[in-house]
Amino acid sequence: DIQMTQSPSTLSASVGDRVTITCRASQNINSWLAWYQQKPGKAPKLLIYEASTLERGVPSRFSGGGSGTEYSLSINSLQADDFATYYCQQYNGYSFIFGPGTKVDI
Amino acid sequence: QVLLVASGGGVVQPEKSLRLSCSASGFTFKSYAMHWLRQAPGKGLEWVAVISSEGATEYYSDSVRGRFTISRDNSKNALFLQMSSLRPEDTAVYFCAKDRAFYDIGFVAYWGQGTLVTVSS
Repeated sequence: DIQMTQSPSTLSASVGDRVTITCRASQNINSWLAWYQQKPGKAPKLLIYEASTLERGVPSRFSGGGSGTEYSLSINSLQADDFATYYCQQYNGYSFIFGPGTKVDI
Repeated sequence: QVLLVASGGGVVQPEKSLRLSCSASGFTFKSYAMHWLRQAPGKGLEWVAVISSEGATEYYSDSVRGRFTISRDNSKNALFLQMSSLRPEDTAVYFCAKDRAFYDIGFVAYWGQGTLVTVSS
């Protein structure tokens, strides 16, 4: 089974910072990777799919990249609304494995 | 706009059964695969199951295979999760979600609000 890891687990940042979260898969997932944002008590929201494609309506300060087994989510000029937990998820084959999450806090 | 409303959660004893429902609106339900996912209190996200748009194909996570069954009624725009032999570790908020792919299984694109299932004696 594919395993997903994320780093860091917690990231402390300030408004205006650029932050980057890394997601690693235990095997090549061919860019079949999505990123989700979740705020406390809310359902997750899709940000990026196919590793680097921005979902409609998501601000352009979010970007994704990577290939093979290593991927990243970057947020340029962090806004107050961006403090949340971020999850990567692979969808290579009919299993949908999440990373453990990265909490971005102030 | 897409609206997914999950219901049927509650407190249930170990080894008992429970059926969750999800009412969908705002899109052509029969054209999209649908997922169930869950989140244990204070924990991360876990995918549970997916069913194809026509209901012909289902896939499950290892943790629920053989105990849970996903189904759908396209005439009623409804998604279901029949859970049996419930365990305390099944305690979680259960989300229904819409896939992105049209008449295929792709990835989770839109999540509804969840329903809490608590397995406890």
